[in-house]
Amino acid sequence: DAKTTQPNSMESNEEEPVHLPCNHSTISGTDYIHWYRQLPSQGPEYVIHGLTSNVNNRMASLAIAEDRKSSTLILHRATLRDAAVYYCILRPVSNFGNEKLTFGTGTRLTIIP
Amino acid sequence: DTAVSQTPKYLVTQMGNDKSIKCEQNLGHDTMYWYKQDSKKFLKIMFSYNNKELIINETVPNRFSPKSPDKAHLNLHINSLELGDSAVYFCASSQTVYEQYFGPGTRLTVT
Repeated sequence: DAKTTQPNSMESNEEEPVHLPCNHSTISGTDYIHWYRQLPSQGPEYVIHGLTSNVNNRMASLAIAEDRKSSTLILHRATLRDAAVYYCILRPVSNFGNEKLTFGTGTRLTIIP
Repeated sequence: DTAVSQTPKYLVTQMGNDKSIKCEQNLGHDTMYWYKQDSKKFLKIMFSYNNKELIINETVPNRFSPKSPDKAHLNLHINSLELGDSAVYFCASSQTVYEQYFGPGTRLTVT
């Protein structure tokens, strides 16, 4: 499985944008990029995913480099509820029912009031 | 409404005992999973079932046996519990390849 590299921790001020980087230099052409987050004492929560193009949803935006070797999760206006561990995950294309998510160590995001 | 629920939330037991963790999803999803998060917070997949059929079986001791009585339920039975089994166990479900929904977790402590 291709690996991802994320900073161990980041801090951001409340109500400011947050850019969470992820490097995945060994990504294959068919790997999807997924982001999940885990709030304290909760299960992981899906945030966003993409393949080649930038993606937006109600939670965040995903910016994918042209060579796909890196991506950035963007929280447009961080709130205290966004404090969590954010995981960048590469998911190989596979038969449905075999969707194994391989979690790394993630980035612990702290929001400063 | 709870989408993916697990019982119990906390489980404290002694080494050598047998215990079960139950998972139910009311999302109508076809695929369910079990993940283990150890004390260092690494989250690893253990099993997945699609329409009651075992799809993923990672390198897990055969003391762990998943059981899916129907596609809304995936239970995890653990025999002869060991200290190293202490962890948080998460159940998840999905209907598409893109998004998995996780339960709140079951914290298992083996003493």
